[in-house]
Amino acid sequence: DSGVTQTPKHLITATGQRVTLRCSPRSGDLSVYWYQQSLDQGLQFLIQYYNGEERAKGNILERFSAQQFPDLHSELNLSSLELGDSALYFCASSVRGQGFPGELFFGEGSRLTVL
Amino acid sequence: AQKVTQAQTEISVVEKEDVTLDCVYETRDTTYYLFWYKQPPSGELVFLIRRNSFDEQNEISGRYSWNFQKSTSSFNFTITASQVVDSAVYFCALRRDDKIIFGKGTRLHILP
Repeated sequence: DSGVTQTPKHLITATGQRVTLRCSPRSGDLSVYWYQQSLDQGLQFLIQYYNGEERAKGNILERFSAQQFPDLHSELNLSSLELGDSALYFCASSVRGQGFPGELFFGEGSRLTVL
Repeated sequence: AQKVTQAQTEISVVEKEDVTLDCVYETRDTTYYLFWYKQPPSGELVFLIRRNSFDEQNEISGRYSWNFQKSTSSFNFTITASQVVDSAVYFCALRRDDKIIFGKGTRLHILP
């Protein structure tokens, strides 16, 4: 158990809909990362937050947005869903220490299926 | 630009054989970190090892060993006496500050 909690574990929805994925980081971790894993694209970095602020952005679509709340949990919002958005979405957390980036600890993922 | 290449898409070996997973990285930074993660069929990503760019010592943990060579920008992973439970997708990753790049992974099948 990594200590990172993601909900829901599975989600099935229709094209055009909107969903929210939730992540609670490990206790004490200030950084939260979101990754998308689809069959042909591997692990794609979406976005990172540190203590409530956006710190890095990857290949995140405009239809997707995220935020990190004061209690450090994070939500990833996916809207106007398309079939190609079907994937496993991972959240990871990390301690952000000065000059010593640590490893990421991943949640179990949220599997999104868009029909 | 940073890049991680895992050229082996899929490998199959018979149980008890040794197997090496290759990882080649590209970075212009002098300070960076390398990682290996395991993703078993259940789907979660499990951290295996972290190595910083200043420490080229090889590491051994049980049946797992890692060979880091800056001269060839490689961070290879060897499983000795493989077991069926080692079947998984293995990812190599490169981190500098807040940017973490994963390779596309190597799917390892250990055949009984």
